[in-house]
Amino acid sequence: AQKITQTQPGMFVQEKEAVTLDCTYDTSDQSYGLFWYKQPSSGEMIFLIYQGSYDEQNATEGRYSLNFQKARKSANLVISASQLGDSAMYFCAMRENTGNQFYFGTGTSLTVIP
Amino acid sequence: GAGVSQSPSNKVTEKGKDVELRCDPISGHTALYWYRQRLGQGLEFLIYFQGNSAPDKSGLPSDRFSAERTGESVSTLTIQRTQQEDSAVYLCASSQRAGALRQPQHFGDGTRLSIL
Repeated sequence: AQKITQTQPGMFVQEKEAVTLDCTYDTSDQSYGLFWYKQPSSGEMIFLIYQGSYDEQNATEGRYSLNFQKARKSANLVISASQLGDSAMYFCAMRENTGNQFYFGTGTSLTVIP
Repeated sequence: GAGVSQSPSNKVTEKGKDVELRCDPISGHTALYWYRQRLGQGLEFLIYFQGNSAPDKSGLPSDRFSAERTGESVSTLTIQRTQQEDSAVYLCASSQRAGALRQPQHFGDGTRLSIL
């Protein structure tokens, strides 16, 4: 089974609008961390936001927030007030308390339309 | 250095040749990861180093792939007898302490490998 599932290969959003990128995960660990990364066309991977499984509040970092629904095992990324520079690939990732790996989803390509 | 440094940034080589890719992690980061990213695809885990512990090699696709790391410093990923399917971007990442869940990975800019 896939550890991380991102079901939206491509998304479009109008500039200044909000957009939600979906991520579901699969783990039997009680303690785990969830991450979102941005990969622009230049190729670098940029860390955006983190959510811990025991964090009671949804994580926020500027225009990024994470809609964490533990019972549904979902960790959707919300980008508010989209900007042209937000056009990129977005990857959801998970690290379990047991084991060493980060598990990445297949990514969502976001295009912001002026 | 300030970030994870990878070299070369681009490598073009003929099928059958060996290649060596280098990663210099952020100073003080004990964990180091190698990933492969084929065009338009997600990240494929290759290998993980944590300090002086035995590496987790579970992601290496074949015995043509190997990696070394000396202590908590530079790592090299070696691909022997390269094949065209090895063409990809190879990304290196480091993180501060593998035991801390919230520590993100910091990525280098990658090495774009093209096998002719």
